[in-house]
Amino acid sequence: GIQVEQSPPDLILQEGANSTLRCNFSDSVNNLQWFHQNPWGQLINLFYIPSGTKQNGRLSATTVATERYSLLYISSSQTTDSGVYFCAVLRETSGSRLTFGEGTQLTVNP
Amino acid sequence: EAQVTQNPRYLITVTGKKLTVTCSQNMNHEYMSWYRQDPGLGLRQIYYSMNVEVTDKGDVPEGYKVSRKEKRNFPLILESPSPNQTSLYFCASSLTQWGSYEQYFGPGTRLTVT
Repeated sequence: GIQVEQSPPDLILQEGANSTLRCNFSDSVNNLQWFHQNPWGQLINLFYIPSGTKQNGRLSATTVATERYSLLYISSSQTTDSGVYFCAVLRETSGSRLTFGEGTQLTVNP
Repeated sequence: EAQVTQNPRYLITVTGKKLTVTCSQNMNHEYMSWYRQDPGLGLRQIYYSMNVEVTDKGDVPEGYKVSRKEKRNFPLILESPSPNQTSLYFCASSLTQWGSYEQYFGPGTRLTVT
């Protein structure tokens, strides 16, 4: 099956810093999503981005499908950004099962 | 508001006592699925449903049952829960199985089986 690798596994920032999270995947995909899992365990949809670039406030994401990677940018980080960020991909040949990466644990200190 | 809801959000139960976790979506989505999340194992799909009365096994279906009698609801049934089913459960939905569509997740159900 498809492999999804995220880096870095852990990231500690001071409030106000910027960061880039990376997601590499091993095969072509039909769907790529970024999620934020908050400390209460909820999975929050950040981006649906099988290709191209999107921005939503302080967050933006870019997927280069031909090179099989996606980047999530967090600018001016806040303590509420803490949590785990997951990249998940889907290949239509595998039905609609999303394959998740192992996540990046982000801690933003005040 | 478009959303996926799950109930209960937290549940502590004992081995062997049947339970049902409900999932409902208000987006008229055809596709629904259940995942479980465990430390070190990530999120794994349990069951999925392509439409009403159509369900199929995911990666870890043992010990679970599902039904899809209505388009909006997709309950997860544990007939005889065991401690290894202690986990965080998520329900998800998308417009259809085919094509590239965003998937939406419920808030999660944290289950503890003692």
